Amino acid sequence: DAGVTQSPTHLIKTRGQQVTLRCSPKSGHDTVSWYQQALGQGPQFIFQYYEEEERQRGNFPDRFSGHQFPNYSSELNVNALLLGDSALYLCASSPEGVGSYYGYTFGSGTRLTVV
Amino acid sequence: KQEVTQIPAALSVPEGENLVLNCSFTDSAIYNLQWFRQDPGKGLTSLLLIQSSQREQTSGRLNASLDKSSGRSTLYIAASQPGDSATYLCAPTGGSYIPTFGRGTSLIVHP
Repeated sequence: DAGVTQSPTHLIKTRGQQVTLRCSPKSGHDTVSWYQQALGQGPQFIFQYYEEEERQRGNFPDRFSGHQFPNYSSELNVNALLLGDSALYLCASSPEGVGSYYGYTFGSGTRLTVV
Repeated sequence: KQEVTQIPAALSVPEGENLVLNCSFTDSAIYNLQWFRQDPGKGLTSLLLIQSSQREQTSGRLNASLDKSSGRSTLYIAASQPGDSATYLCAPTGGSYIPTFGRGTSLIVHP
């Protein structure tokens, strides 16, 4: 049973560019959350998608946007990249309604470097 | 807003020691609390999940306790091994159903 799959593993972008990160949730999970983890910090919540809609959002600017597809996979888009966007981006999935009971499953992350 | 603090921030111990990692959180209205392990540059691996109605969970050499009323959780690692070296993160989940993370405890176990 595959867990949460993220791609790509590593990415280098230039300041001002746009980037798209991808996530496939664990089988049986339909809710996807995205986190940003800067070096030496704990993960910070960006947003959560359920039924193809953004359900909750953390304290991130509109440059961060996302999408969820009918097969529950998700994309994170970041526009107008800043040097400060360099971080490990983590995707987590959970089963809706009982996610709080079964907890969250995380992927291996995408390391984004902005130069 | 939930705030999570983990103490100590870093720990370096010889192999074989029994360890205690502490996690405190400001909002006690949580549904559960997860402990995760993170190897350098990698994703998060779930170690233990404690429901709000439970007091502790055990998995092998790991034991996690939860005192929801005081906003505290403790992760015990018995007979530590070099392979336990990693960052340990706790994440309570409250009314928003979104886990909130602390900065973690960085553990080094040397032979």
